[in-house]
Amino acid sequence: ETGVTQTPRHLVMGMTNKKSLKCEQHLGHNAMYWYKQSAKKPLELMFVYSLEERVENNSVPSRFSPECPNSSHLFLHLHTLQPEDSALYLCASSQDPTGTATPEQFFGPGTRLTVL
Amino acid sequence: GQSLEQPSEVTAVEGAIVQINCTYQTSGFYGLSWYQQHDGGAPTFLSYNALDGLEETGRFSSFLSRSDSYGYLLLQELQMKDSASYFCAVRDLGGKLIFGQGTELSVKP
Repeated sequence: ETGVTQTPRHLVMGMTNKKSLKCEQHLGHNAMYWYKQSAKKPLELMFVYSLEERVENNSVPSRFSPECPNSSHLFLHLHTLQPEDSALYLCASSQDPTGTATPEQFFGPGTRLTVL
Repeated sequence: GQSLEQPSEVTAVEGAIVQINCTYQTSGFYGLSWYQQHDGGAPTFLSYNALDGLEETGRFSSFLSRSDSYGYLLLQELQMKDSASYFCAVRDLGGKLIFGQGTELSVKP
């Protein structure tokens, strides 16, 4: 247990569905992240929120829409996805990423997404 | 551009020592981290080097040479449970982590 939880753990959806991934951190951190992990590829940073403000959007298609209602919760809203979006979606949290402390990120277990 | 290179696979036997190298080319550099990920699990933090030299934490050590844009993770007294993927990650000036593609370590009896 890393203190970061994600639901659901597995999700199968059609290309016309709308679904949301949820992440919650219980560590008192002020930064949260969404990553995409595809087989044999590096973790790809999608979005960064610091103090509930989006500070990074790495050219992610608009069919992925993040939401950070407070510093403990992060959502990823999905709509009209493509089969190539099938991957493991990981949430992480940390203290202020621009600070001088060790930049340890704590990851959740991920949501395994399959788009049919 | 930004890139990190590490071997895709390494195999070693129990009790041995293994070194996983990482070279990087990034537009900004603030430090090098290492993460471990077991199959089906979450990546977990192992170490961080902001300055040149060796950092030791139990059986694991991490080294950084900023002038060579190079680092490595050293695992000693390998155990079966060390079989996992190991990722190096550069922290850039904005605090983001840029990950390598990962090295799959297989520890054999």
